[in-house]
Parts: sequence; structure tokens; C-alpha cells
Amino acid sequence: DTEVTQTPKHLVMGMTNKKSLKCEQHMGHRAMYWYKQKAKKPPELMFVYSYEKLSINESVPSRFSPECPNSSLLNLHLHALQPEDSALYLCASSQDPSSFYEQYFGPGTRLTVT
Amino acid sequence: AQTVTQSQPEMSVQEAETVTLSCTYDTSESDYYLFWYKQPPSRQMILVIRQEAYKQQNATENRFSVNFQKAAKSFSLKISDSQLGDAAMYFCAYRSGNAGNNRKLIWGLGTSLAVNP
Repeated sequence: DTEVTQTPKHLVMGMTNKKSLKCEQHMGHRAMYWYKQKAKKPPELMFVYSYEKLSINESVPSRFSPECPNSSLLNLHLHALQPEDSALYLCASSQDPSSFYEQYFGPGTRLTVT
Repeated sequence: AQTVTQSQPEMSVQEAETVTLSCTYDTSESDYYLFWYKQPPSRQMILVIRQEAYKQQNATENRFSVNFQKAAKSFSLKISDSQLGDAAMYFCAYRSGNAGNNRKLIWGLGTSLAVNP
């Protein structure tokens, strides 16, 4: 099973709301990633968790807060977002963070900030 | 810094025909990995094929194959017997194999492929 699941599929939130995106994988992968993707653009890396510890933060604004409660689950907490944060948010996982292992992507959450 | 260039923003192919998508990259490293990802309008990013730089043999996955020219830093994707389901955005990506580097994927801007019936 090479499945990464993400919930919700769509999310509309106001600039004062707090919401969370959820990502789950049951492949025993030890690296998990959050990406942001604008329409017709490649994904932009936001965060990398390696063995449940945050290893890379690509200078993401603090209104995005990642969390890795366990090796199968990755959350992205959202607070006080801006309209320009509207995008497709993709989660991915790989067996470990080394380059040898490819990343498997989830279907994404389409976020609209109003 | 490494860069990936996809020079064809859009391409089209007739069903059952063959199409080649181009990708070039720039790096001074010798250890790296190259990937082609497909993202259909349904949006899920799917790995199509991967190539390790140390392997001379071109990777093949069913109807998908690559032409990996290491000296020319070229990594093109050939799709044979194109099907309607191949219509998607195709991204070429590079990842450093050097453990000391930030090993994030470096992406090209993508090629949007249309398949005409």
C-alpha cells in the first residue's frame, strides 16, 4: 500500500479562523513533508519531519505550524492566514529522508482563505 | 545551486502516438537522483519514473522511458502509445545525493501534456 491520505479535501476559512490539515500514512515511512502548490506551478517545500522531528523549515511564516504526533501522522495548523495563502497543500512521505527513497504524495487539501 | 529546466510549457500528442518531454538540469554534483512526476487534473502527484545518476542504463516503466544523458545533463521522458489518461502536468525533479546538502527536490516548472483522441 503506497497511500498517503489527506483531510479535508477542501477547506474554506476566514483570516481569523484556526484550522488544521491532516496527513496520514501507514507505510512505515519515517520522513514526512508539507508542500504548498499554486496553480500551474511546482510544489514548494515548507517543512520536513525526519523520525518525528522537524528537520527542515523553509522559512515558513509562523501562521503555519506543523506537528508530528507520531510516525504515521502529520498535521499543519493554520492561524490568521492571508488570502495569498490560498493554494493546494500537499503532504508526502518517504521511507527515510535520504535521497534514495522517492516521495509519495497525498491528494492534497485545496485551501481557500477569504 | 542546482536548477532544473523544462523548456516546453505545453505539448500535445495524438492518442497512440509517442511524445518526448525534455528536461535539462545544472549541477556540479556526481551523486544525484532524477525523477519525473505526473500530476493529472485530479491533482494527485504520482511518481512516473526515477533515475540514479550512477546508473548508465536508462530507466523504463512500461510505456514510460527516459533518455538520460549525464554529460549533457539531459533527462527526457518518452511516453509511448499515449493514452487519454496520460494528459497531465509533468514535472521533472532533481535531488542531491550528498548527505551534507539540503536534499529537497528541485523542480522544473512543468510541461502540460494534452492527449488528443
